[in-house]
Amino acid sequence: DQQVKQNSPSLSVQEGRISILNCDYTNSMFDYFLWYKKYPAEGPTFLISISSIKDKNEDGRFTVFLNKSAKHLSLHIVPSQPGDSAVYFCAAPSLAGGTSYGKLTFGQGTILTVHP
Amino acid sequence: KAGVTQTPRYLIKTRGQQVTLSCSPISGHRSVSWYQQTPGQGLQFLFEYFSETQRNKGNFPGRFSGRQFSNSRSEMNVSTLELGDSALYLCASSPGQGFEQYFGPGTRLTVT
Repeated sequence: DQQVKQNSPSLSVQEGRISILNCDYTNSMFDYFLWYKKYPAEGPTFLISISSIKDKNEDGRFTVFLNKSAKHLSLHIVPSQPGDSAVYFCAAPSLAGGTSYGKLTFGQGTILTVHP
Repeated sequence: KAGVTQTPRYLIKTRGQQVTLSCSPISGHRSVSWYQQTPGQGLQFLFEYFSETQRNKGNFPGRFSGRQFSNSRSEMNVSTLELGDSALYLCASSPGQGFEQYFGPGTRLTVT
């Protein structure tokens, strides 16, 4: 059962334009979400997070939006830069087993390519 | 602060062997989680240790085990390796409260 889904395997954008990465979830108990970026041969790097008490969180060029009624979140990168080319994962702390400690459930990832 | 370190970075083993991977968390972090990344299954949670105790466990067979030492360093062990265990094994640390985790570079395990 895939509780966190990223339905777009890849996204290609031009440098300077906006990149929008989408993520859907099925478990309404999720109340916190994170985005990670991963370059080849490296571990994921934490980017930005959002709590369900907010509908938006901003950090520099990165903004995450949360729509709880649609169980949907998105990551906006403005302006996109070639160095942003990477795989982006959304993740949520999983509440299975009665504890969320240490367990993140990840989406399958979206490969972002930013062309100069 | 130094980041999460994992050793070795690359490993080739034969089916049926066992392997031990090591992870050193960020200084001051008491929680260590392990994940397996494969092309087909994505990032899957293996287990998490906090203060030398396993607090959470994913849906992996008993061949996968781990432990944490008093200095928060952690090891994971896979016994009786199968071809399907070929994957990138990632370790992540966190302070123990909150949800952000910080990942190491991973160990690429190839089973032949």
